Amino acid sequence: QQQVKQSPQSLIVQKGGISIINCAYENTAFDYFPWYQQFPGKGPALLIAIRPDVSEKKEGRFTISFNKSAKQFSLHIMDSQPGDSATYFCAASMDTGRRALTFGSGTRLQVQP
Amino acid sequence: AAGVIQSPRHLIKEKRETATLKCYPIPRHDTVYWYQQGPGQDPQFLISFYEKMQSDKGSIPDRFSAQQFSDYHSELNMSSLELGDSALYFCASSLGPEISIAGVQETQYFGPGTRLLVL
Repeated sequence: QQQVKQSPQSLIVQKGGISIINCAYENTAFDYFPWYQQFPGKGPALLIAIRPDVSEKKEGRFTISFNKSAKQFSLHIMDSQPGDSATYFCAASMDTGRRALTFGSGTRLQVQP
Repeated sequence: AAGVIQSPRHLIKEKRETATLKCYPIPRHDTVYWYQQGPGQDPQFLISFYEKMQSDKGSIPDRFSAQQFSDYHSELNMSSLELGDSALYFCASSLGPEISIAGVQETQYFGPGTRLLVL
């Protein structure tokens, strides 16, 4: 059973457009929600992360929106570029010292020039 | 900046053989995590160590074992390899909870991975 559900599985966006990826979680003990970007053959790299005490966090073209009551969070990539083409994973962990990340199933983003 | 180092990067083994994967965390990082990523799958947590002690355990098969050494590097030992063990194995490192600022999660930095192929 996937504890963190991610959609869509794949996404095609035109250059300059907005990419939106959604995640939902069940475990209310999760209180740290990072997004990772992974290129083929490479390790995941942290993009941006949020804690549930804020509803939105923005870093450059990347924004996380967080809805604690709905147990949902999303990644928005503004002005998407071909270099953003990668697989994006949302993740969650418990900030209790046991910090294993539980990943979503991933979204393969393709930004067309 | 120094990153997580994993070796080997690629490994080919036969069924029932053993394999050892190594991970060298970012300097000063004392927590190491191991993840397994099957083809087209998300990374699955296997096991983690903090200050050389196992801190959490995920879906690690009994055929696998791991440890963290005094220099904080970690090794994942895999025995009786099966075809289904073919995957990318990632190591990640972070600062331990006692060092992190209260209420601030420390980032896990991932290595480039070891691609294991079991024939």
